[in-house]
Amino acid sequence: EAAVTQSPRNKVTVTGGNVTLSCRQTNSHNYMYWYRQDTGHGLRLIHYSYGAGNLQIGDVPDGYKATRTTQEDFFLLLELASPSQTSLYFCASSDARGAGQNTLYFGAGTRLSVL
Amino acid sequence: QQKVQQSPESLIVPEGGMASLNCTSSDRNVDYFWWYRQHSGKSPKMLMSIFSNGEKEEGRFTVHLNKASLHTSLHIRDSQPSDSALYLCAASNNYAQGLTFGLGTRVSVFP
Repeated sequence: EAAVTQSPRNKVTVTGGNVTLSCRQTNSHNYMYWYRQDTGHGLRLIHYSYGAGNLQIGDVPDGYKATRTTQEDFFLLLELASPSQTSLYFCASSDARGAGQNTLYFGAGTRLSVL
Repeated sequence: QQKVQQSPESLIVPEGGMASLNCTSSDRNVDYFWWYRQHSGKSPKMLMSIFSNGEKEEGRFTVHLNKASLHTSLHIRDSQPSDSALYLCAASNNYAQGLTFGLGTRVSVFP
């Protein structure tokens, strides 16, 4: 099964702080995604990428930057964290060669608290 | 408003019973549907996908799709306590651009 590793698993920061969430996949997938999961809002797409150096905006990109440095590594940056960004963040990867191959493989998640 | 609506919000099912979950997209451009399952404290995992009208069965799980009404349903027969989880419906018109998820149906199976 596809392996997606997120770090850290838990993070606490203060309002205005800088946070970087890391994600690495070792399955040679082209596509990587960052989602946040919140009660009442479900899973929402923040940013995604289809290869190293590429970045696409998702549905809720405000306040977030992302960078895909290699095929394996995708980072989510919060440069001025706000309490509204307290959430459970999931990274996912997929092959996306066709609809039938587009299973999203999720990492274990990072729980972020902004005080 | 959620583009992917799921019902019911929660469901309590006796062990061995049938669970029926519904999902409708309000985006007429949607072509593809998936069902993911998320156990408490874990990440979502793909359960089943359906892209054509009709029915698809895998073990105790059956999905239906009506593309005209953009409605899909998931049925779990002979429900087990291990089926207790949050079931997420996802839809997309361009599968590479990420999936839109519903809020989910929380299923609880009691012995």
